[in-house]
Amino acid sequence: ELKVEQNPLFLSMQEGKNYTIYCNYSTTSDRLYWYRQDPGKSLESLFVLLSNGAVKQEGRLMASLDTKARLSTLHITAAVHDLSATYFCAVDLTQGGSEKLVFGKGTKLTVNP
Amino acid sequence: NAGVTQTPKFRILKIGQSMTLQCAQDMNHNYMYWYRQDPGMGLKLIYYSVGAGITDKGEVPNGYNVSRSTTEYFPLRLELAAPSQTSVYFCASSYSGQGFHFGNGTRLTVT
Repeated sequence: ELKVEQNPLFLSMQEGKNYTIYCNYSTTSDRLYWYRQDPGKSLESLFVLLSNGAVKQEGRLMASLDTKARLSTLHITAAVHDLSATYFCAVDLTQGGSEKLVFGKGTKLTVNP
Repeated sequence: NAGVTQTPKFRILKIGQSMTLQCAQDMNHNYMYWYRQDPGMGLKLIYYSVGAGITDKGEVPNGYNVSRSTTEYFPLRLELAAPSQTSVYFCASSYSGQGFHFGNGTRLTVT
């Protein structure tokens, strides 16, 4: 059974600071997703990481994937209040030709002025 | 494209009632999914489908049923609603690793 663990689950940080969210998973997968969710809203796709060593950046967010370590990171640079949201990693579990996502519990990020 | 459309957006049920959550996608995706999200938790897979006529259980299928007679529609049926089914339900679709598209969710309260 694939388990996906995110840490921290709660993160309060000041504007302008840097921080990293970690996502560990327990079985082999070559595809990992990062999503953002605002309160009461659906999930917004941030990054799709498709191979070992993949790195993607969008604005103040950068995601990376190390499939050998079964680890992905979401790095936040010079945080701003607008980044306050819950961030989920989700690992693609493809078995027997069917693909599905297994989610971490999410990291609730609060960026304070 | 409308993407993934879920109805209703909100619903309150009494214990023991039944209802169907509707999900439609217009992207011709072969895969469709139902997830539930409880407060402070990630999404958990209820049921999924790899194509019309084919469905399978996910992690938390008890108390739910699904059907998929066409590519576009994937309704989720709740029989004998229980308070434990109070949650936010998300439908999603995907096409062979091309990314997952989520609907806006249905907030269900069972009292």
